[in-house]
Amino acid sequence: GIQVEQSPPDLILQEGANSTLRCNFSDSVNNLQWFHQNPWGQLINLFYIPSGTKQNGRLSATTVATERYSLLYISSSQTTDSGVYFCAGVSGTYKYIFGTGTRLKVLA
Amino acid sequence: DTAVSQTPKYLVTQMGNDKSIKCEQNLGHDTMYWYKQDSKKFLKIMFSYNNKELIINETVPNRFSPKSPDKAHLNLHINSLELGDSAVYFCASKWSGGSYEQYFGPGTRLTVT
Repeated sequence: GIQVEQSPPDLILQEGANSTLRCNFSDSVNNLQWFHQNPWGQLINLFYIPSGTKQNGRLSATTVATERYSLLYISSSQTTDSGVYFCAGVSGTYKYIFGTGTRLKVLA
Repeated sequence: DTAVSQTPKYLVTQMGNDKSIKCEQNLGHDTMYWYKQDSKKFLKIMFSYNNKELIINETVPNRFSPKSPDKAHLNLHINSLELGDSAVYFCASKWSGGSYEQYFGPGTRLTVT
């Protein structure tokens, strides 16, 4: 079936630590996107990354489409990185499937 | 210069009432979406319109009726509200002609009492 799975479901880090979040997606899903939902509920676009690697400051993402996974790297984490991280892929042309998210808490 | 906006931001109402949520985008996109985020943070697509045409209609009670008067606007009307309708409703948009990057509005928190 159509699936997008994220791991780990929960993550607690000390400020300054690095982390890797994973998103596995099934054959019928493509065009991965990563979002951060902050504690105020806003969904913020992090990366649109159908394949390859992108970097934006302390965050970077890599998608290996042939192996059906994407990774989001957070380096030198800060308390403002707390929230829920979602990956989402497209099935067909218009239908987006979201993973269940990784809840990240960064402690000061 | 808000890209995707929603009104209202919060909505508290009683069971049985009818309410509407509005969404507008100024990104020039031609495809708009409604999502429901439940208490466990799971995001599920409800509806999508492309150029004012309904293209996605997931398994949603027919008390929910979307309407797109033009490419930049998408509304959601909910009849006979139930406790289980309490959730955050997000609007999103994208351009169908290239990138699949989707942009979200700030959400509308609906509480049914």
